[in-house]
Formats: sequence, structure tokens, C-alpha cells
Amino acid sequence: DAGVIQSPRHEVTEMGQEVTLRCKPISGHDYLFWYRQTMMRGLELLIYFNNNVPIDDSGMPEDRFSAKMPNASFSTLKIQPSEPRDSAVYFCASSLGTNTGELFFGEGSRLTVL
Amino acid sequence: EDKVVQSPLSLVVHEGDTVTLNCSYEVTNFRSLLWYKQEKKAPTFLFMLTSSGIEKKSGRLSSILDKKELFSILNITATQTGDSAIYLCAPYSGGGADGLTFGKGTHLIIQP
Repeated sequence: DAGVIQSPRHEVTEMGQEVTLRCKPISGHDYLFWYRQTMMRGLELLIYFNNNVPIDDSGMPEDRFSAKMPNASFSTLKIQPSEPRDSAVYFCASSLGTNTGELFFGEGSRLTVL
Repeated sequence: EDKVVQSPLSLVVHEGDTVTLNCSYEVTNFRSLLWYKQEKKAPTFLFMLTSSGIEKKSGRLSSILDKKELFSILNITATQTGDSAIYLCAPYSGGGADGLTFGKGTHLIIQP
């Protein structure tokens, strides 16, 4: 199994630009999570999906952030317009709905907004 | 609101030392507590604890949960430089609240 696949691995962009981060979960996993990690705030849950349906987006910081999951094998996190304070590592994770809480993380997308 | 507090936030020790990392939590509908290790990239799963007082072990790592006092500890004996990482704990509620709330982690550095 290839694990959770994220792209791009690194992105450097200028303030005001649109950023799209992509995630392919592990095949067969029915939960998908987007997290953001910074030194100050640690690892924060932004949004998660169950069977492609957004369940809880209360962690999304503001309307500039949006996430979609058009099918079981693909999700995007979009930031428009981006700001320097959005600079962070964004992780995607997936899990089976077996109520264990164990998540499988991708390697993250490091975003730098200048 | 769920709270997870890890201590210490950072720790520097020498190879061969034993370390104890702490995690206290306040969550509703607690179901289990998970420990993850994060080296340079993604967090990877270490342990899941569901019952108080039952130690889980994996090599030099062990962990135990106290559901009455709402904390868990992670012990690493005979530390090696490869143990250097951020150690994260996360209580799990389940039942619809399926996202994990992570603590800020303990940044552990093992010096040769």
C-alpha cells in the first residue's frame, strides 16, 4: 500500500495567491482529515470527512479556507487568498471507521506564503 | 472544549538515559488515548491505550494510562539518538467526534 499521498511537498507563493493542496487517502479508508501544524499551535484539526461528506469543519480558520472530497480517493484543501500567517505544514490523514482513532498521515505539504 | 497538555515541552538527555513524557487530558466521552512519534515528517502511531493500569510495551518504549486522574505517561529506556523526535499524545472520543485533538508535543533530543 502506498500510504497517504500528498502534493505538493513544498509550495512557496506570494500573499494573495490561491493555493491548492491535494491528498489521496489509503484505499478503503472512509475517514479523511486535514491538519495544520505550526510551532506555535501544534497540530490542529481543520476539517474531516466521512464517506466523502464533510462532518466537522469547525477548525477551518476562516472563509479563505475550503476543502472538498469529490470522491473516495481524492481531496483538496484550498486557500484563497493566501496570507503569510497561513505558512505551516498541512497534513492529510486517513483512517478506517473502526473507532480506534488510529490515523495514517501523509508526509505533509510545507506551505510558505511570502 | 477538549484540552491536552503535554510536559515537558522539550527535553535534552544523553544516550542511555531513561525519559518519562507526560500527557494530561480533559475530553468528553473518552474512549482511548493514542501516542504518536513525529520525526522529520509525518506522525506515526506508537500506542493506543484504553484501560487504566495496563502497560503497553514496544521494545524500549512503554506507556500506561490512568483514567481516574486523566493522564498517561510514555517511558523510553536506554535512549538512542534515533529516539529524537516530537512525541504527541491525543485522546480519542469517537462516536462522531472522530478527529484527534493533539497536544503540542514533547520535543525530545537525545545527545550522543
